[in-house]
Amino acid sequence: EIVLTQSPATLSLSPGERATLSCRASQSVSSFLAWYQHKPGQAPRLLISDASNRATGIPARFSGRGSGTDFTLTISRLEPEDFAVYYCQQRSNWPGFTFGPGTKVDLK
Amino acid sequence: QLQLQESGPGLVKPSETLSLTCTVSGDSISSGPYYWVWIRQPPGKGLEWIASIYHSGSSHYNPSHKGRVTISIDTAKNQFSLRLSSVTAADTAVYYCARDRRITGTTHWGQGTLVIVSS
Repeated sequence: EIVLTQSPATLSLSPGERATLSCRASQSVSSFLAWYQHKPGQAPRLLISDASNRATGIPARFSGRGSGTDFTLTISRLEPEDFAVYYCQQRSNWPGFTFGPGTKVDLK
Repeated sequence: QLQLQESGPGLVKPSETLSLTCTVSGDSISSGPYYWVWIRQPPGKGLEWIASIYHSGSSHYNPSHKGRVTISIDTAKNQFSLRLSSVTAADTAVYYCARDRRITGTTHWGQGTLVIVSS
């Protein structure tokens, strides 16, 4: 089973700052990795697919990069609505997949 | 506009079977190269994939549930369902149904339904 590790567990930042979130896989997942934003009481929202492709309607301040075992989600300038939990999802054994434990981006 | 809505009991007794249905509207459940999936989130924890099904009936399961899970699809009703047997308190979670595609990810989600396992 491929295990995903996300760091840091919590990221405390202010609006306008840059957020860099990391996701590491226990073995290579090629580029089969997605990122989701999750706010309390809402459904998760797809941000990035295939490591670096922004989903429909996702602002350009969200970007993803990486391949193999190391991936990064960057939010270039945090907006107030970006404070949430972010999950990576590996899809190398699709249609099954696993999620990382999440990174919480909260207000400093 | 595609919408998914979970339905089912919010309270299930330990050792019984949890049954949920996801009703899809705005598109046919038989259209496109999509898998229909169930994902859950226990309180205070992260997301966990449970099972996926194609409109043909081809299904895939998270092995961690050791055969307790059954996913099914009813194309005539545009619904798919989840059954989880022998539930315990550890199965208490918000359960989401969603649509997934290989190249684009899990793009559409229901709002989620909380299921509590308690006597």
